[in-house]
Amino acid sequence: DGGITQSPKYLFRKEGQNVTLSCEQNLNHDAMYWYRQDPGQGLRLIYYSQIVNDFQKGDIAEGYSVSREKKESFPLTVTSAQKNPTAFYLCASSLRDKNQPQHFGDGTRLSIL
Amino acid sequence: AQTVTQSQPEMSVQEAETVTLSCTYDTSESDYYLFWYKQPPSRQMILVIRQEAYKQQNATENRFSVNFQKAAKSFSLKISDSQLGDAAMYFCAYRSGTGRRALTFGSGTRLQVQP
Repeated sequence: DGGITQSPKYLFRKEGQNVTLSCEQNLNHDAMYWYRQDPGQGLRLIYYSQIVNDFQKGDIAEGYSVSREKKESFPLTVTSAQKNPTAFYLCASSLRDKNQPQHFGDGTRLSIL
Repeated sequence: AQTVTQSQPEMSVQEAETVTLSCTYDTSESDYYLFWYKQPPSRQMILVIRQEAYKQQNATENRFSVNFQKAAKSFSLKISDSQLGDAAMYFCAYRSGTGRRALTFGSGTRLQVQP
């Protein structure tokens, strides 16, 4: 079955450490997205990519970086510059057509040690 | 920038009854799409229903329907014959038809279903 796979499910970061969250999709979707969810809040956009080798900052990009070298993959790196990284991170993908919904992975919970 | 507001942090409904979740949005665009997503305790995001702004007819998916009032910028979700499995967080989301294609989410409404 096609879908979006996020790994790991749980991740712990030490102070000053960079960590990378994986997102892989086999839906043949062109566009991919990263969202952050804090307790009691909605999802906020970190980065998005409409095509391979191109990506744009979202609303809360500071302290994060991404790459899009393959259509199937859109990894997110949480750098040491992100001072409050504890959150639930969701990856999504969609076809580029504007009326197509986004499909989501199961998320990664990141915590600080 | 577009904003989405869900003014009901929590709602409760009796099993088999009907409940309506509210959502308002602010935009200057004429081409856009609206969505309701469900997030159960597993935290998976599940698409419930979507509405194209150019369509006057309200979308319906089985027990779920919307009341789309474009002039008022309102997009409420009605759940009929509520079931225990409907208990979840519900998020309203906006997507531009011309600009950024990412979703803008509201803060969510937690729905409890009482047996």
